[in-house]
Amino acid sequence: NAGVTQTPKFQVLKTGQSMTLQCAQDMNHEYMSWYRQDPGMGLRLIHYSVGAGITDQGEVPNGYNVSRSTTEDFPLRLLSAAPSQTSVYFCASSDTINTIYEQYFGPGTRLTVT
Amino acid sequence: GDSVTQMEGPVTLSEEAFLTINCTYTATGYPSLFWYVQYPGEGLQLLLKATKADDKGSNKGFEATYRKETTSFHLEKGSVQVSDSAVYFCALSGGGSYIPTFGRGTSLIVHP
Repeated sequence: NAGVTQTPKFQVLKTGQSMTLQCAQDMNHEYMSWYRQDPGMGLRLIHYSVGAGITDQGEVPNGYNVSRSTTEDFPLRLLSAAPSQTSVYFCASSDTINTIYEQYFGPGTRLTVT
Repeated sequence: GDSVTQMEGPVTLSEEAFLTINCTYTATGYPSLFWYVQYPGEGLQLLLKATKADDKGSNKGFEATYRKETTSFHLEKGSVQVSDSAVYFCALSGGGSYIPTFGRGTSLIVHP
């Protein structure tokens, strides 16, 4: 199993540009989520999904869109990038069959907005 | 709502020193408790977990015991190595929600 994969690893955008961060998992996990990690701020939840066709907002959703058309993929879209979105982005997934909900994380995408 | 509080870092130790990183939690229901580790430039990975009271999770020389009476899940290691330098996150999940709750992370720096 590849686990959780994210592309790209690094990205530089100009203010106002849009892009999509890709996330995929091959563990048949229903729950997927996106976090951003900033120095001194810990992990902050952006959006999450409990299955294909179902998404919801987390703690810091503004400026980001998500969709979940398949169990495997959960892309994160930045509609109009701003310097405040410079961060490291992590995708995570977990099983929902048991009640333990151990999280599996991708390697991250390091985004700089100039 | 649920919350996790862990000691602020950085924690700086010499190689072979004893490590404790404190973690306390507030939760409804009966959550599972986790320690995740993040090595430089990588994503988080599970270090250990405990799913019920008095369970002890262990991995790579690290241990933590689920203490319901003190709502704690402190991480310990008897002899740290330089390679243990990383950020450690305490977390809980379950208790009726898929969404985990993470602590802010504790940076550990181990000097030779």
